[in-house]
Amino acid sequence: EAGVAQSPRYKIIEKRQSVAFWCNPISGHATLYWYQQILGQGPKLLIQFQNNGVVDDSQLPKDRFSAERLKGVDSTLKIQPAKLEDSAVYLCASSLGGLVEKLFFGSGTQLSVL
Amino acid sequence: QKEVEQDPGPLSVPEGAIVSLNCTYSNSAFQYFMWYRQYSRKGPELLMYTYSSGNKEDGRFTAQVDKSSKYISLFIRDSQPSDSATYLCAMQEGAGGGNKLTFGTGTQLKVEL
Repeated sequence: EAGVAQSPRYKIIEKRQSVAFWCNPISGHATLYWYQQILGQGPKLLIQFQNNGVVDDSQLPKDRFSAERLKGVDSTLKIQPAKLEDSAVYLCASSLGGLVEKLFFGSGTQLSVL
Repeated sequence: QKEVEQDPGPLSVPEGAIVSLNCTYSNSAFQYFMWYRQYSRKGPELLMYTYSSGNKEDGRFTAQVDKSSKYISLFIRDSQPSDSATYLCAMQEGAGGGNKLTFGTGTQLKVEL
């Protein structure tokens, strides 16, 4: 079974530039998540999708971050404009659902904002 | 106060040692408790989960939850160099979709030969 695919693996940009990340979840997984993991910290949920719809985006900085999930499969996360404090690993995860949210994570995109 | 607190380590132990990793939490609504393992430059992977208080064993790993103390632990017996990773605790309030996970900051473990 193929895992969660993310690209790019690494990205270096200057502040105020824009950047986009892509995620392809495990086939059949209805729920998709984007997490931000700053060095030395645990993952922080940015947005959760259930199929096409947004379940939770309460911690997404909506003035600069946006995300979409097309046709309930792939997803993109965009940052525009980027700030220095956005430097982090952006993790995509998916789950089948059920009583316990068993998340399957991709390897992440490491973003450096200079 | 953070909802979930975890000692960041790093924790260094010799091969074969018993390792104890711990988290405390403040939200009494948490019902499901998970442990994720994260290797360097990889995403976290689920190791095991427990519901409410009690113990759960899976091979060399034992997860323990004490809801009265708001304290959870992961024990690793006969630790191996391949166990070297960051261990994240995570907690969920209710059952089913829509219940987000709250992660601890992770404990970095190194098992030395």
